[in-house]
Amino acid sequence: QVQLVQSGSEVKKPGASVKVSCKASGFTLNTFGVSWVRQAPGQGLEWMGWISAHNGNTNYAQKLQGRVTMTTDTSTSTAYMELRSLRSDDTAVYYCARDRGDYFYYYMDVWGKGTPVTVSS
Amino acid sequence: EIGLTQSPGTLSLSPGERATLSCRASQSVSSSYLAWYQQKPGQAPRLLIYGASKRATGIPDRFTGSGSGPDFTLTISRLEPEDFAVYYCQQYDSSSYSFGQGTKLEIK
Repeated sequence: QVQLVQSGSEVKKPGASVKVSCKASGFTLNTFGVSWVRQAPGQGLEWMGWISAHNGNTNYAQKLQGRVTMTTDTSTSTAYMELRSLRSDDTAVYYCARDRGDYFYYYMDVWGKGTPVTVSS
Repeated sequence: EIGLTQSPGTLSLSPGERATLSCRASQSVSSSYLAWYQQKPGQAPRLLIYGASKRATGIPDRFTGSGSGPDFTLTISRLEPEDFAVYYCQQYDSSSYSFGQGTKLEIK
């Protein structure tokens, strides 16, 4: 079964960092990209960035540049998203998604269930 | 950055009715780069349509995507109880994605 399994919920203090994992199952991660999307409580979807599991190339949303790092470990078919200098407005559910961008189409067809991250003092 | 505006914000309809959801881009968007997602409370988004009009695997044919930049439409021909959810359009441009703010489809 093709799926992405994410790590569990996190509670962090302002200024701390969080690292969320996303393990691929049922497919080979290194032939795809992975996008990360977050959703603040009661809000819409916000794209955070993308990483190619093939070569590690990344592209981050401008507003998160300098605070976010996305990596992959192809030996374990796992993608990671680290967000630093956390603020209260980083409180959200963080999703990873298989990215099918291939110059012809761009979309995300498999999503993890999401990792809730709460930032609170 | 291309912005996407979805309308209406909330759509109240009854099962069996037809739903028409709109997504307008702030500038022209390639049809190939336009997708639609459905999200139910407490769940991850689910891909419905990609390439503006191509149904994703397993999506019923009552879901139809159409349009070309900058105006796109998602039509649900006969609403089923499970179709009441929030719908997002998404576009890709200059190595970045953006989402519309969503349309909530609620039972009337």
